[in-house]
Amino acid sequence: DAGVTQSPTHLIKTRGQQVTLRCSPKSGHDTVSWYQQALGQGPQFIFQYYEEEERQRGNFPDRFSGHQFPNYSSELNVNALWLGDSALYLCASSFRSGGSGYTFGSGTRLTVV
Amino acid sequence: GESVGLHLPTLSVQEGDNSIINCAYSNSASDYFIWYKQESGKGPQFIIDIRSNMDKRQGQRVTVLLNKTVKHLSLQIAATQPGDSAVYFCAERTDSGGGADGLTFGKGTHLIIQP
Repeated sequence: DAGVTQSPTHLIKTRGQQVTLRCSPKSGHDTVSWYQQALGQGPQFIFQYYEEEERQRGNFPDRFSGHQFPNYSSELNVNALWLGDSALYLCASSFRSGGSGYTFGSGTRLTVV
Repeated sequence: GESVGLHLPTLSVQEGDNSIINCAYSNSASDYFIWYKQESGKGPQFIIDIRSNMDKRQGQRVTVLLNKTVKHLSLQIAATQPGDSAVYFCAERTDSGGGADGLTFGKGTHLIIQP
């Protein structure tokens, strides 16, 4: 039973570019959340998707957007990249009605140069 | 500022000793708390959780204590092993009533096991 899978594992982008990160949730999970983890810090909540809609959003600008597909997989898009966007981007999946049991992927390491 | 914080950035313990990692939270409306372990290059791994209507919960070699009066959470690891070396995060969930449940994490404590 596959857990949460994220792609790519590493990515280098230039300032001002756009990036798309992908996440496939754990089998049986229907909710996907995205987190940004800067070096030496705890993960910060970006947003959560359920039933293909953004349900909750953290303190992140509109440059950060997302999408959830009918198969529950999700994408995180970041436009106009800043150097400060360099971080580990984590995807976590869960089952909505359960309210717990979050499973994290290994993340995508984004470096903006 | 952060809703959830940790008291110590680094904790060094001898192999075989018990470890206690502490966490302070500020949102009294939080109803669910989780401890995660994160090893280098990996995502957070679930250790143990506790709901706000409980004071204590035990797992295999781990115990979580919740003191709602002082908004304090702790993780106790018994007989610490080399494989326990990692960064430990506490996280809280605040149910906004809309069903969404993003987690708020603290900065983390790096647990170092000395032989």
